[in-house]
Amino acid sequence: AQSVTQLDSHVSVSEGTPVLLRCNYSSSYSPSLFWYVQHPNKGLQLLLKYTSAATLVKGINGFEAEFKKSETSFHLTKPSAHMSDAAEYFCVVSVPYSGGGADGLTFGKGTHLIIQP
Amino acid sequence: KAGVTQTPRYLIKTRGQQVTLSCSPISGHRSVSWYQQTPGQGLQFLFEYFSETQRNKGNFPGRFSGRQFSNSRSEMNVSTLELGDSALYLCASSLRAGVYNEQFFGPGTRLTVL
Repeated sequence: AQSVTQLDSHVSVSEGTPVLLRCNYSSSYSPSLFWYVQHPNKGLQLLLKYTSAATLVKGINGFEAEFKKSETSFHLTKPSAHMSDAAEYFCVVSVPYSGGGADGLTFGKGTHLIIQP
Repeated sequence: KAGVTQTPRYLIKTRGQQVTLSCSPISGHRSVSWYQQTPGQGLQFLFEYFSETQRNKGNFPGRFSGRQFSNSRSEMNVSTLELGDSALYLCASSLRAGVYNEQFFGPGTRLTVL
């Protein structure tokens, strides 16, 4: 089984300051990890993904995340927040379908990012 | 290239009724997955279809079912609706099978059960 914990339900930062959204996971197998963003009344958009290649993953819109196996973490960062970054962010873990389980994708509860002007 | 489209965007039903939601994937994508999003439970995986076959299924009751057609379009059906089925239902498509591949999400269908 697998699980994801997003450590903060809300994060508020000022425009131009760094962003840190925290995510911890557990998985019995080597996981794939993702960050998705959801803007109000929109579907989800993939920001970045980790699939056992480089541990530092760069995504769209200046976001990046670092996979730390020893800490079972996959925190999302951005050096300088922009007003357009205000949205809901989801950390997601997945393992390949084993043919017998129902793992699919497991989503964190989400972190609401607020950008102060 | 057109994105994932879902119809209808909004739906209101009453308890006991059934509902069918539709999803058209991005052209060329053969995998379609469905998700339920609620304030209480968050985002939960329902099922994945690839080449007209259900490939993977989440932990939902049998009232939730789906199918995929030869053109990769997919439908999801919920029978005997309950108040707790009120949610945003998201569809996502992918080039390859396996939800760990990059998925492209549609805007969702907002279902309200009264």
